[in-house]
Amino acid sequence: GENVEQHPSTLSVQEGDSAVIKCTYSDSASNYFPWYKQELGKGPQLIIDIRSNVGEKKDQRIAVTLNKTAKHFSLHITETQPEDSAVYFCAASPRGGTASKLTFGTGTRLQVTL
Amino acid sequence: DTAVSQTPKYLVTQMGNDKSIKCEQNLGHDTMYWYKQDSKKFLKIMFSYNNKELIINETVPNRFSPKSPDKAHLNLHINSLELGDSAVYFCASSQRRVGQETQYFGPGTRLLVL
Repeated sequence: GENVEQHPSTLSVQEGDSAVIKCTYSDSASNYFPWYKQELGKGPQLIIDIRSNVGEKKDQRIAVTLNKTAKHFSLHITETQPEDSAVYFCAASPRGGTASKLTFGTGTRLQVTL
Repeated sequence: DTAVSQTPKYLVTQMGNDKSIKCEQNLGHDTMYWYKQDSKKFLKIMFSYNNKELIINETVPNRFSPKSPDKAHLNLHINSLELGDSAVYFCASSQRRVGQETQYFGPGTRLLVL
């Protein structure tokens, strides 16, 4: 089955700096890669996703890059703000996302300090 | 309006008891999921239903029995609760169609088995 590794497990940045979280996956059939943000006491919320036919996607301060050859994808948050503090999860889906199983990474706790 | 709702939000019970968690979505999705998040924040799929049909059944003890009375509801019944069942259980829903596979999560049910 799919295995997703995520690094780092914790990340502390100063407000205004950039944050990068990296994930690798094992199943070459995976072609849907969402990123979720989980705030304390809440459920995960999708912040951005990318499909294997695209190498990069950007939404305001958030961007995701995908390298299918190397089987890794990354989340980039620029100009971080205190409200970006949360746990971030990457995930991979091996069947194009058609109600298939999302395998999650182990999460990255991001702390944005003033 | 709440998209994916779960009840109860908190559940504290004794070992050996039987309990149920309910989930409802008003997004018109045809697929629903149960995830378990352990104390280390690791998120793992348990079950998935599409149009009331079980399509994903991970290696979960048979003390856990999901039931989907209709597309908008997915319940989880747990028999003979054990200490290791303590976790946060998330319900999610999505549409089984490429391009619409974003999974929307509920707020979670925090289960504590004493």
